[in-house]
Amino acid sequence: NAGVMQNPRHLVRRRGQEARLRCSPMKGHSHVYWYRQLPEEGLKFMVYLQKENIIDESGMPKERFSAEFPKEGPSILRIQQVVRGDSAAYFCASSPPVRMNTEAFFGQGTRLTVV
Amino acid sequence: DAKTTQPTSMDCAEGRAANLPCNHSTISGNEYVYWYRQIHSQGPQYIIHGLKNNETNEMASLIITEDRKSSTLILPHATLRDTAVYYCIVRGKTSYDKVIFGPGTSLSVIP
Repeated sequence: NAGVMQNPRHLVRRRGQEARLRCSPMKGHSHVYWYRQLPEEGLKFMVYLQKENIIDESGMPKERFSAEFPKEGPSILRIQQVVRGDSAAYFCASSPPVRMNTEAFFGQGTRLTVV
Repeated sequence: DAKTTQPTSMDCAEGRAANLPCNHSTISGNEYVYWYRQIHSQGPQYIIHGLKNNETNEMASLIITEDRKSSTLILPHATLRDTAVYYCIVRGKTSYDKVIFGPGTSLSVIP
């Protein structure tokens, strides 16, 4: 999973600030997935994107959270007006185009701490 | 929601085989069994996947029952570095089929 790059690895934000988490998928991968892992909890699916399209955002909180995957550049998970409950590890995964039978590869995550 | 059930935790002696079971009784014909693991809050790591035949790679073996309702992940010679949470996941084979994690099995390899 070394090929999926997430930055920053650690991010500290004060309550009310914005957090931007970046994910660069593996070369040739056109699908990106974001997951959240709260402390001592499991991995929860948030959103699935292709280039310039949101395919499934069923796991995204209704407010303050948004995600994009532009034609050029990394995928961005944006959290506005962060609260302490947003403190978690956020993982990104990528996979190749749909027709290929393969696994999703994960990055090392961004650990967000809201103070 | 996850379609699998796994034991919450298991222990294994270092150097012995670790056999991690998974039940997936509602698996459909076009769904695969995937295994991932997460070592101490690192990013999940892909291990292996299979449809109905047994599979082996450099990390592990996957044994799937003939009715496909359960499977076993085998780490042939567990090391301390194999201590992790292991997730058994059922999903379709395409990128449209997102990976949904259950609670997994926390495997502790004991010296």
